[in-house]
Amino acid sequence: DAKTTQPPSMDCAEGRAANLPCNHSTISGNEYVYWYRQIHSQGPQYIIHGLKNNETNEMASLIITEDRKSSTLILPHATLRDTAVYYCIVRVVDNTDKLIFGTGTRLQVFP
Amino acid sequence: DAGITQSPRHKVTETGTPVTLRCHQTENHRYMYWYRQDPGHGLRLIHYSYGVKDTDKGEVSDGYSVSRSKTEDFLLTLESATSSQTSVYFCAIRRDTEAFFGQGTRLTVV
Repeated sequence: DAKTTQPPSMDCAEGRAANLPCNHSTISGNEYVYWYRQIHSQGPQYIIHGLKNNETNEMASLIITEDRKSSTLILPHATLRDTAVYYCIVRVVDNTDKLIFGTGTRLQVFP
Repeated sequence: DAGITQSPRHKVTETGTPVTLRCHQTENHRYMYWYRQDPGHGLRLIHYSYGVKDTDKGEVSDGYSVSRSKTEDFLLTLESATSSQTSVYFCAIRRDTEAFFGQGTRLTVV
Protein backbone atom coordinates (compact mmCIF):
# COMPACT_ATOMS: atom_id res chain seq x y z
CA ASP A 1 0.00 0.00 0.00
CA ALA A 2 1.05 3.55 -0.66
CA LYS A 3 2.43 5.31 2.37
CA THR A 4 1.14 8.71 1.41
CA THR A 5 -2.22 10.50 1.40
CA GLN A 6 -3.04 13.23 -1.09
CA PRO A 7 -6.25 15.08 -1.97
CA PRO A 8 -7.73 13.62 -5.16
CA SER A 9 -8.02 16.94 -6.97
CA MET A 10 -7.16 20.63 -6.76
CA ASP A 11 -7.66 23.73 -8.90
CA CYS A 12 -5.32 26.64 -9.36
CA ALA A 13 -5.53 29.86 -11.36
CA GLU A 14 -2.86 30.38 -13.96
CA GLY A 15 -0.01 32.53 -12.64
CA ARG A 16 -0.80 31.74 -9.02
CA ALA A 17 1.13 29.42 -6.76
CA ALA A 18 -0.09 25.85 -6.59
CA ASN A 19 0.41 24.23 -3.20
CA LEU A 20 -0.04 20.46 -3.22
CA PRO A 21 -0.11 18.79 0.21
CA CYS A 22 0.98 15.28 1.08
CA ASN A 23 0.65 13.37 4.32
CA HIS A 24 3.24 10.70 5.12
CA SER A 25 2.79 10.23 8.85
CA THR A 26 4.49 6.81 8.93
CA ILE A 27 7.64 7.90 7.14
CA SER A 28 10.84 6.32 8.39
CA GLY A 29 14.05 8.15 9.13
CA ASN A 30 15.79 6.91 6.00
CA GLU A 31 12.92 7.52 3.59
CA TYR A 32 13.00 10.38 1.16
CA VAL A 33 9.99 12.31 -0.11
CA TYR A 34 9.77 12.33 -3.91
CA TRP A 35 7.37 14.10 -6.22
CA TYR A 36 6.52 13.04 -9.76
CA ARG A 37 3.87 14.25 -12.15
CA GLN A 38 2.11 12.64 -15.07
CA ILE A 39 0.76 14.71 -17.91
CA HIS A 40 -2.04 13.08 -19.91
CA SER A 41 -0.96 9.48 -20.45
CA GLN A 42 2.76 10.13 -20.64
CA GLY A 43 5.26 8.45 -18.36
CA PRO A 44 5.69 10.09 -14.95
CA GLN A 45 8.21 12.90 -14.77
CA TYR A 46 10.52 13.53 -11.82
CA ILE A 47 10.04 16.91 -10.12
CA ILE A 48 11.95 17.09 -6.86
CA HIS A 49 12.91 15.15 -3.75
CA GLY A 50 14.09 15.80 -0.20
CA LEU A 51 14.93 14.15 3.10
CA LYS A 52 14.68 16.77 5.84
CA ASN A 53 15.49 20.17 4.45
CA ASN A 54 13.40 22.23 2.12
CA GLU A 55 14.47 21.95 -1.50
CA THR A 56 14.09 24.12 -4.56
CA ASN A 57 14.87 23.56 -8.21
CA GLU A 58 13.86 25.11 -11.50
CA MET A 59 10.49 23.38 -11.44
CA ALA A 60 9.27 23.58 -7.88
CA SER A 61 9.91 23.90 -4.16
CA LEU A 62 9.45 21.18 -1.58
CA ILE A 63 8.60 22.09 1.99
CA ILE A 64 8.93 19.27 4.55
CA THR A 65 7.62 19.77 8.08
CA GLU A 66 10.03 19.47 10.95
CA ASP A 67 8.52 16.17 12.09
CA ARG A 68 8.60 14.97 8.44
CA LYS A 69 5.03 13.73 8.63
CA SER A 70 3.85 15.94 5.81
CA SER A 71 5.14 17.99 2.93
CA THR A 72 3.98 20.51 0.34
CA LEU A 73 4.99 20.81 -3.27
CA ILE A 74 4.87 24.38 -4.49
CA LEU A 75 4.66 25.38 -8.13
CA PRO A 76 5.35 29.10 -7.77
CA HIS A 77 3.66 30.34 -10.95
CA ALA A 78 1.37 27.67 -12.31
CA THR A 79 0.79 27.51 -16.06
CA LEU A 80 -1.74 25.57 -18.09
CA ARG A 81 1.04 23.10 -18.92
CA ASP A 82 1.24 22.20 -15.22
CA THR A 83 -2.16 20.52 -15.41
CA ALA A 84 -1.32 16.93 -14.47
CA VAL A 85 -1.58 14.25 -11.80
CA TYR A 86 1.00 14.81 -9.07
CA TYR A 87 2.32 11.89 -7.06
CA CYS A 88 3.95 12.13 -3.66
CA ILE A 89 6.08 9.08 -2.86
CA VAL A 90 8.23 8.06 0.05
CA ARG A 91 11.07 5.73 -0.71
CA VAL A 92 14.24 4.31 0.64
CA VAL A 93 17.07 4.86 -1.78
CA ASP A 94 18.76 1.49 -1.54
CA ASN A 95 19.52 -1.50 -3.70
CA THR A 96 15.89 -2.38 -4.27
CA ASP A 97 14.71 1.20 -4.67
CA LYS A 98 11.09 0.55 -5.45
CA LEU A 99 8.71 3.41 -6.09
CA ILE A 100 5.27 2.83 -4.60
CA PHE A 101 2.72 5.14 -6.17
CA GLY A 102 -0.58 6.24 -4.68
CA THR A 103 -3.43 7.70 -6.68
CA GLY A 104 -2.03 11.24 -6.62
CA THR A 105 -3.62 14.69 -6.89
CA ARG A 106 -5.11 15.82 -10.16
CA LEU A 107 -4.17 19.50 -10.51
CA GLN A 108 -6.25 21.55 -12.92
CA VAL A 109 -4.79 24.94 -13.81
CA PHE A 110 -7.40 27.25 -15.29
CA PRO A 111 -6.98 30.52 -17.22
CA ASP B 1 13.90 10.70 -21.70
CA ALA B 2 17.04 8.90 -20.45
CA GLY B 3 17.21 6.89 -23.66
CA ILE B 4 14.27 4.60 -22.87
CA THR B 5 12.32 3.00 -25.68
CA GLN B 6 9.30 0.80 -25.18
CA SER B 7 7.98 -1.48 -27.89
CA PRO B 8 5.40 -1.92 -29.11
CA ARG B 9 3.62 1.31 -28.17
CA HIS B 10 0.21 -0.22 -28.80
CA LYS B 11 -0.91 -3.83 -29.02
CA VAL B 12 -4.20 -5.68 -29.20
CA THR B 13 -4.08 -9.38 -28.47
CA GLU B 14 -6.46 -12.21 -27.78
CA THR B 15 -7.06 -13.88 -24.46
CA GLY B 16 -4.75 -16.82 -23.91
CA THR B 17 -1.98 -15.69 -26.23
CA PRO B 18 1.56 -14.93 -25.04
CA VAL B 19 2.72 -11.34 -25.22
CA THR B 20 6.17 -9.84 -24.71
CA LEU B 21 6.82 -6.17 -24.13
CA ARG B 22 10.29 -4.77 -24.53
CA CYS B 23 12.06 -1.99 -22.70
CA HIS B 24 15.34 -0.83 -24.17
CA GLN B 25 17.74 1.68 -22.63
CA THR B 26 20.86 3.24 -24.10
CA GLU B 27 22.64 4.41 -20.95
CA ASN B 28 23.61 1.11 -19.23
CA HIS B 29 21.69 1.76 -16.02
CA ARG B 30 21.63 -1.10 -13.58
CA TYR B 31 18.08 -0.79 -12.29
CA MET B 32 15.03 -1.26 -14.49
CA TYR B 33 11.35 -1.53 -13.59
CA TRP B 34 8.02 -2.52 -15.08
CA TYR B 35 4.81 -0.83 -13.88
CA ARG B 36 1.21 -1.04 -14.95
CA GLN B 37 -1.34 1.74 -14.70
CA ASP B 38 -5.09 1.30 -14.60
CA PRO B 39 -7.93 3.81 -14.19
CA GLY B 40 -8.34 4.80 -10.57
CA HIS B 41 -4.91 3.53 -9.64
CA GLY B 42 -1.49 5.00 -9.61
CA LEU B 43 1.34 3.03 -11.10
CA ARG B 44 1.81 -0.41 -9.60
CA LEU B 45 5.14 -2.22 -9.70
CA ILE B 46 5.13 -5.56 -11.51
CA HIS B 47 8.78 -6.64 -11.53
CA TYR B 48 12.13 -4.98 -11.29
CA SER B 49 15.74 -5.81 -12.09
CA TYR B 50 18.95 -4.81 -10.39
CA GLY B 51 21.29 -6.29 -12.95
CA VAL B 52 21.67 -8.86 -15.70
CA LYS B 53 19.73 -11.97 -14.70
CA ASP B 54 18.85 -10.37 -11.35
CA THR B 55 15.14 -9.74 -11.04
CA ASP B 56 12.53 -9.64 -8.31
CA LYS B 57 8.78 -9.39 -7.91
CA GLY B 58 6.81 -6.26 -7.28
CA GLU B 59 3.35 -5.85 -5.81
CA VAL B 60 1.35 -7.19 -8.80
CA SER B 61 3.60 -9.86 -10.31
CA ASP B 62 1.06 -12.69 -10.74
CA GLY B 63 0.66 -13.61 -14.41
CA TYR B 64 3.87 -11.87 -15.46
CA SER B 65 7.45 -12.95 -15.93
CA VAL B 66 10.53 -10.94 -16.83
CA SER B 67 13.95 -11.51 -18.25
CA ARG B 68 17.10 -9.47 -18.45
CA SER B 69 19.84 -11.15 -20.45
CA LYS B 70 21.50 -7.88 -21.41
CA THR B 71 21.88 -4.65 -19.48
CA GLU B 72 20.01 -2.66 -22.10
CA ASP B 73 16.91 -4.85 -22.43
CA PHE B 74 14.23 -5.74 -19.88
CA LEU B 75 11.44 -7.92 -21.22
CA LEU B 76 8.01 -8.36 -19.69
CA THR B 77 6.08 -11.47 -20.71
CA LEU B 78 2.45 -12.32 -20.24
CA GLU B 79 2.49 -16.09 -20.67
CA SER B 80 -1.25 -16.30 -21.31
CA ALA B 81 -2.88 -12.90 -21.57
CA THR B 82 -6.13 -12.24 -19.73
CA SER B 83 -8.56 -9.36 -19.98
CA SER B 84 -7.49 -8.17 -16.51
CA GLN B 85 -4.07 -7.46 -17.99
CA THR B 86 -5.47 -4.80 -20.27
CA SER B 87 -3.51 -1.81 -19.09
CA VAL B 88 -0.86 0.76 -19.87
CA TYR B 89 2.59 -0.56 -19.09
CA PHE B 90 5.50 1.70 -18.20
CA CYS B 91 9.14 0.85 -18.05
CA ALA B 92 11.51 2.88 -15.89
CA ILE B 93 15.21 3.10 -15.20
CA ARG B 94 17.02 4.47 -12.21
CA ARG B 95 19.65 7.12 -12.81
CA ASP B 96 21.38 8.20 -9.60
CA THR B 97 18.48 8.75 -7.18
CA GLU B 98 15.83 9.46 -9.80
CA ALA B 99 13.59 7.22 -11.86
CA PHE B 100 12.92 7.99 -15.51
CA PHE B 101 9.98 6.50 -17.35
CA GLY B 102 9.33 5.42 -20.88
CA GLN B 103 6.33 6.58 -22.87
CA GLY B 104 4.28 3.50 -22.14
CA THR B 105 2.75 0.56 -23.99
CA ARG B 106 -1.00 0.37 -24.24
CA LEU B 107 -2.04 -3.29 -24.22
CA THR B 108 -5.59 -4.43 -24.89
CA VAL B 109 -6.55 -8.06 -24.34
CA VAL B 110 -9.80 -9.01 -26.07
